[in-house]
Order: sequence, then structure tokens, then C-alpha cells
Amino acid sequence: GAVVSQHPSWVICKSGTSVKIECRSLDFQATTMFWYRQFPKQSLMLMATSNEGSKATYEQGVEKDKFLINHASLTLSTLTVTSAHPEDSSFYICSAPPGGPTDTQYFGPGTRLTVL
Amino acid sequence: AQSVTQLGSHVSVSEGALVLLRCNYSSSVPPYLFWYVQYPNQGLQLLLKYTSAATLVKGINGFEAEFKKSETSFHLTKPSAHMSDAAEYFCAVSGGSNYKLTFGKGTLLTVNP
Repeated sequence: GAVVSQHPSWVICKSGTSVKIECRSLDFQATTMFWYRQFPKQSLMLMATSNEGSKATYEQGVEKDKFLINHASLTLSTLTVTSAHPEDSSFYICSAPPGGPTDTQYFGPGTRLTVL
Repeated sequence: AQSVTQLGSHVSVSEGALVLLRCNYSSSVPPYLFWYVQYPNQGLQLLLKYTSAATLVKGINGFEAEFKKSETSFHLTKPSAHMSDAAEYFCAVSGGSNYKLTFGKGTLLTVNP
């Protein structure tokens, strides 16, 4: 089956620093990847769509200068949380559809970010 | 526009009992519907999906769901609950040119021995 990995699985950082989260498709190529944010005991909210070779598209209300997305290759997308603050603490999950953006999305295991 | 409503944020059943998790959707185009399961501190695992083929969809771990257009529902069922089924379950919808997933708020399933 389609496998998506994330690294790191959890990270703690100080307020004001930047943190990079990686999302990889291990056994397929993904021209599109999605980044979600999940607050405790809540649902997933789509943050942005990562497109290989072009700029990411962000959902309304998501600060693109704060959440930098780079789709570096057909198997790797990165999310960088810049100048992190405690309110950025959350569970970040990526997904990738093997057959293009309209295909079923397979999810990574998530990254728990805690900003002190 | 599309939306998902999951009725019941928490469902508790006894081991061996029927599991029924409710999902109603709204979509202006023919929907694709999904059920995902999330175990603590993990990502989401696809249980099953409906993509306009058979209305009764069978998934992994003995789960199935039935698409009912007239009721705009896609309820998830399992005949006999197992302790390992305890998790958070999310219903999601996408449709047409809008391939983005919209999730419901989730239902926490607990299974009592």
C-alpha cells in the first residue's frame, strides 16, 4: 500500500525559532501533498496544498509567510513553521494521493510540535 | 461547498456489540466519501471509501458503510466490536473538481470489556 512518512514525529522548540517538518511518500511519487493541522480532540483542518514545481496554495486564514511549504521533489514536501509561538503548538499531519490530487489521500503519522 | 456532520462525539459499546457511527454529508456535486481511523498520537488510516460504485462499501477490519443518497448519509458499521477498535473515527467528503477533503469533527469509539 501507499506509505507516507513524517519526520520528526515530535519536536519541542523555543518561541521565536523555526522548525522544519518533512513529509515523504515512500513507495510512490506525489505531485501533490496536503498539510493539515489538528488541535487536541478536534478534527483536521487543511492548511495548504503543496505542489511539486510550483507554489503552494494556502487555505483562507493560513499565513503563508509563517508556514512555508516547499515541494522539493516528487517524494518530499517540507513545512517550516517560522518564528514559532506557543499558539503554533499542534499536531501537523501530511497526506499524499498516489494518483494525483483527486486520488485517495494516504496520511503520514503526524508530527507533534510543542513551542515553549 | 461541502460539509460533514458526525452525530455523537463519543460512542461507547461493549465488546461483541454492534458498532454504528453516523455520518451525514452535504455536497453540491456527487460526493466521494471516506472513513478514516486515528489511533492516539498517530496519523489517519483509511478504512473505506465510496467513489460512486457500489453503495455498500466494505473496508478493512470488518467495517462497512452504506451510501444513501436520499438520506445524505454514510454510516459506518461493524457487526461485532473488538477492543482494538477503540479509536477516533473521522468521516470525510470530497467531490467534483474540489478534491480537498472536508472532515467531520470525529467520533471517539470506546469498547468496554
